[in-house]
Amino acid sequence: DTGVSQNPRHKITKRGQNVTFRCDPISEHNRLYWYRQTLGQGPEFLTYFQNEAQLEKSRLLSDRFSAERPKGSFSTLEIQRTEQGDSAMYLCASSSTSGGGTGELFFGEGSRLTVL
Amino acid sequence: GDSVTQMEGPVTLSEEAFLTINCTYTATGYPSLFWYVQYPGEGLQLLLKATKADDKGSNKGFEATYRKETTSFHLEKGSVQVSDSAVYFCALSPNFNKFYFGSGTKLNVKP
Repeated sequence: DTGVSQNPRHKITKRGQNVTFRCDPISEHNRLYWYRQTLGQGPEFLTYFQNEAQLEKSRLLSDRFSAERPKGSFSTLEIQRTEQGDSAMYLCASSSTSGGGTGELFFGEGSRLTVL
Repeated sequence: GDSVTQMEGPVTLSEEAFLTINCTYTATGYPSLFWYVQYPGEGLQLLLKATKADDKGSNKGFEATYRKETTSFHLEKGSVQVSDSAVYFCALSPNFNKFYFGSGTKLNVKP
């Protein structure tokens, strides 16, 4: 079990630049989630996928944010034209709801974004 | 909408003290309830869960009981250790589709 892997672990960028984060979930998990966490707060839901289908997207997610899971395995989260308010830890989690999976979330260590 | 409220921290205790971290929730229906823990420099990991009223989740000496009548899921441990120092998050999920997290409670345990 290699766990959920996220890359890069830390990204520093200038305002207006685009950034992309990658998440590799636990291999047999059919669901993949993106959350955002700011200092002193709990994870805030952004979006989730079941296999390759994006089933829900938070209303808080502006059109500068896009996520994909093209083959139902890894996922990418892209932020275009970054703003300082995008600075946060971006968390990926996966779960299994099939074949006896319990549905609970397994988190990666996160990708920290700093926008200067 | 569904939400979780947990006590603010930090909570500072001496080793072997009794721990309670309060968590209350608002939800329509009967959600599943969770406690996640985040150790320094690590990702969130599931500590325990309960899926129906009166269930008690337990792990590593921690316990929490799903109380529908008080909409609560308080985390307890009889004797904390320095290694329990971490941030604890209460969470709920109505149907294992979406998960809602509290703001976290930092626990510091002093030797």
